[in-house]
Amino acid sequence: GAGVSQSPSNKVTEKGKDVELRCDPISGHTALYWYRQSLGQGLEFLIYFQGNSAPDKSGLPSDRFSAERTGGSVSTLTIQRTQQEDSAVYLCASSLSGEKLFFGSGTQLSVL
Amino acid sequence: DQQVKQNSPSLSVQEGRISILNCDYTNSMFDYFLWYKKYPAEGPTFLISISSIKDKNEDGRFTVFLNKSAKHLSLHIVPSQPGDSAVYFCAARGGYGNKLVFGAGTILRVKS
Repeated sequence: GAGVSQSPSNKVTEKGKDVELRCDPISGHTALYWYRQSLGQGLEFLIYFQGNSAPDKSGLPSDRFSAERTGGSVSTLTIQRTQQEDSAVYLCASSLSGEKLFFGSGTQLSVL
Repeated sequence: DQQVKQNSPSLSVQEGRISILNCDYTNSMFDYFLWYKKYPAEGPTFLISISSIKDKNEDGRFTVFLNKSAKHLSLHIVPSQPGDSAVYFCAARGGYGNKLVFGAGTILRVKS
């Protein structure tokens, strides 16, 4: 596709439910990143995939968060047993060189 | 531990004047710096970057200055236009891994 695609664009869920967020990176981009932006905050790094290397998970806030990248392309970020503090915009980005990141429009997650 | 700091949450500038957005960093391993612009409900978009081997990079109305000894960079927008009104994020890369570390952002309002 022309850009990074994320779905859904909005997700409202109840506390305690699991959610899956999807990211389709730009074709050919080997690096994929997940960030989140809580209200009034900056972009918080979550996880980074580069080719077939082990992902950098150093930003995941708890073991309720996990991410996969299948076939070096599509990625899914899963949040189990969601909490209200998980409410944020979840942004996915992909990159060819690791220098310029191209972001999707994000998924607005609201946990009630 | 905020490695990239944007100490001004907001900035208001008159159309046609210069906008100066500032960013400080603490990690001396950072070797590449970027500025991103973000409109509401959209993902951040790349604006301009600078390598640590340079002290200035210019692209049209946008110029980024890097002062390595002070661990400080700034983005100058001249002349400012109402369409420049957005949130501006400073980001840095280097050291361990390839992830970008972002600042909290500065809201720029350009008044016509």
